[in-house]
Amino acid sequence: DGGITQSPKYLFRKEGQNVTLSCEQNLNHDAMYWYRQDPGQGLRLIYYSQIVNDFQKGDIAEGYSVSREKKESFPLTVTSAQKNPTAFYLCASTDGGVGYTFGSGTRLTVV
Amino acid sequence: GNSVTQMEGPVTLSEEAFLTINCTYTATGYPSLFWYVQYPGEGLQLLLKATKADDKGSNKGFEATYRKETTSFHLEKGSVQVSDSAVYFCALRNAGGTSYGKLTFGQGTILTVHP
Repeated sequence: DGGITQSPKYLFRKEGQNVTLSCEQNLNHDAMYWYRQDPGQGLRLIYYSQIVNDFQKGDIAEGYSVSREKKESFPLTVTSAQKNPTAFYLCASTDGGVGYTFGSGTRLTVV
Repeated sequence: GNSVTQMEGPVTLSEEAFLTINCTYTATGYPSLFWYVQYPGEGLQLLLKATKADDKGSNKGFEATYRKETTSFHLEKGSVQVSDSAVYFCALRNAGGTSYGKLTFGQGTILTVHP
């Protein structure tokens, strides 16, 4: 079955460390998105990509970076510049129509 | 810019009670509207959608009608079950422009249903 796979499910980051969250889809979707979820704040868009080798900043891109070298993959790096990275991160994709598919998320905790 | 406002939560109901979660939006043009549901520790699942004014989305006993005159998309269910306990998100997607494809979410409403 097609879908989105996010890994790892849980991730722990030390202060000053960069970490990368994986997002892979086998739906042949062109567009992919990264959202951050904090309690009581809904989901906020970090980065999105509509085609390979192109991506755009979302509403809260500071302290994050992405790449889109393959259609199937859209990894998110949380850099040391992100001062409050503890959150639940969700990846999503769409074929440009109305439907979106979400991954099951990665919970990142700073230790 | 676009925005979505959901009713304040959390919402606590007894099984078989009637559910309403209010959602209003601000957007240019004619956005598509969605309700997503999130169970603990999981990603979001599409519950229902509507793509034009007066459309009614429905799924698993939940309904919502796209009301352009009141810019609303309220979620309703006639008789909730314990298994409906989850977080519900209202969202919109712009029809075009530089924000094409981006979803804008409300803050989410936590629903707890007791037996």
